Amino acid sequence: GAVVSQHPSWVICKSGTSVKIECRSLDFQATTMFWYRQFPKQSLMLMATSNEGSKATYEQGVEKDKFLINHASLTLSTLTVTSAHPEDSSFYICSANRDTQGDSPLHFGNGTRLTVT
Amino acid sequence: GENVEQHPSTLSVQEGDSAVIKCTYSDSASNYFPWYKQELGKRPQLIIDIRSNVGEKKDQRIAVTLNKTAKHFSLHITETQPEDSAVYFCAAHIQGAQKLVFGQGTRLTINP
Repeated sequence: GAVVSQHPSWVICKSGTSVKIECRSLDFQATTMFWYRQFPKQSLMLMATSNEGSKATYEQGVEKDKFLINHASLTLSTLTVTSAHPEDSSFYICSANRDTQGDSPLHFGNGTRLTVT
Repeated sequence: GENVEQHPSTLSVQEGDSAVIKCTYSDSASNYFPWYKQELGKRPQLIIDIRSNVGEKKDQRIAVTLNKTAKHFSLHITETQPEDSAVYFCAAHIQGAQKLVFGQGTRLTINP
């Protein structure tokens, strides 16, 4: 069964508003979670690494003030898309390693399809 | 940084035939190589993975081979079935950065 839960599965918002996406590890503690973005027919692009109790690490080209990440507990990371615009419409997926080692299988959430009108 | 190249971008095979997808990576320190299958609108699902101390791994109809010297790894699917149709992603783990970098994906279509 699923080990990473993501909510909501889809959301439609108006341009200029903010949207929060939650990612939970269900039966394990995740000190690190990863947020990916996937545009239609494209690959998974890592946006940022969410670290419990400290600041997230953002990939080059990802605006940290626009994509706010909070990892306040060992089982929950949130991604807030602030002042969303149509070009932010995408499929956002979180993931986590069940094992503490990074070189182990990544478990993905179901993803959130964001549509900004 | 680490770069993962995946080929082909699309692949169409007849049901029952084999499919091969290839990936190359740039960082020689990469030590873990998973393959994911993603159906339309769904999450990627791990189908097989291999570590750098192994050259080949097989799980029923699916196998992965790794050539560390050449820095490439391949996914082999034998006796393909219509339900194998999906997008497949390879990935390489960057040991220092503790993150996965994905290939561009291969859209596999199995023709009945």
